[in-house]
Amino acid sequence: QVQLVQSGAEVKNPGASVKVSCKASGYTFTSYYMHWVRQAPGQGLEWMGIIYPGGGSTTYAQKFQGRVTMTRDTSTSTVYLEVSSLTSGDTAVYYCARTSGWYGYFDYWGQGTLVTVSS
Amino acid sequence: EIVLTQSPGTLSLSPGERATLSCRASQSVSSTYLAWYQQKPGQAPRLLIYGTSSRATDIPDRFSGSGSGTDFTLTISRLEPEDFVVYYCQQYGSSPFTFGPGTKVDIK
Repeated sequence: QVQLVQSGAEVKNPGASVKVSCKASGYTFTSYYMHWVRQAPGQGLEWMGIIYPGGGSTTYAQKFQGRVTMTRDTSTSTVYLEVSSLTSGDTAVYYCARTSGWYGYFDYWGQGTLVTVSS
Repeated sequence: EIVLTQSPGTLSLSPGERATLSCRASQSVSSTYLAWYQQKPGQAPRLLIYGTSSRATDIPDRFSGSGSGTDFTLTISRLEPEDFVVYYCQQYGSSPFTFGPGTKVDIK
């Protein structure tokens, strides 16, 4: 069965960076796309970007360009999201979610990783 | 960027009633690229409907989707107790892949 398992909660100081992982299993890792979506406390869903594990290509939402990096490790079927220059506005639950194409619906989601930015 | 607006923000209904949730796009969305998700407290969103009207795996047939162009609808024919949560629409045909702000269905 398809599973996306994310790393645990993080607490970071303002100005720091955080790296969140999402380990995939139950399907061919390099044949699907992975997105990152975040949700601030009590708020809606915000799309951050997409990575294609098959070749490593990425596209980021304009709001996050220059501050977000998505990478993958095909040997462990894991994708990573790194966010730099954190502010309190980055406090959110970060989700990975899979699609079958660049333009696809999100059929499986990770359980979410809470990132708290606080001094 | 395509902006999605959902209405109402909160829908107060009783179990067994019919729920109609609206999603309006700032520009036309191909019906192929409109989805609905359900989110329960403390959980990740779950795919309900894709391609405007196709139910995802294991989704009960009381959930249905319709619409075209800029106006889309999620209908829950008879509300069950577990349906009183938040619903989001999403367009995935144009990057950035945007979500609506959500509609909360709560118990009247």
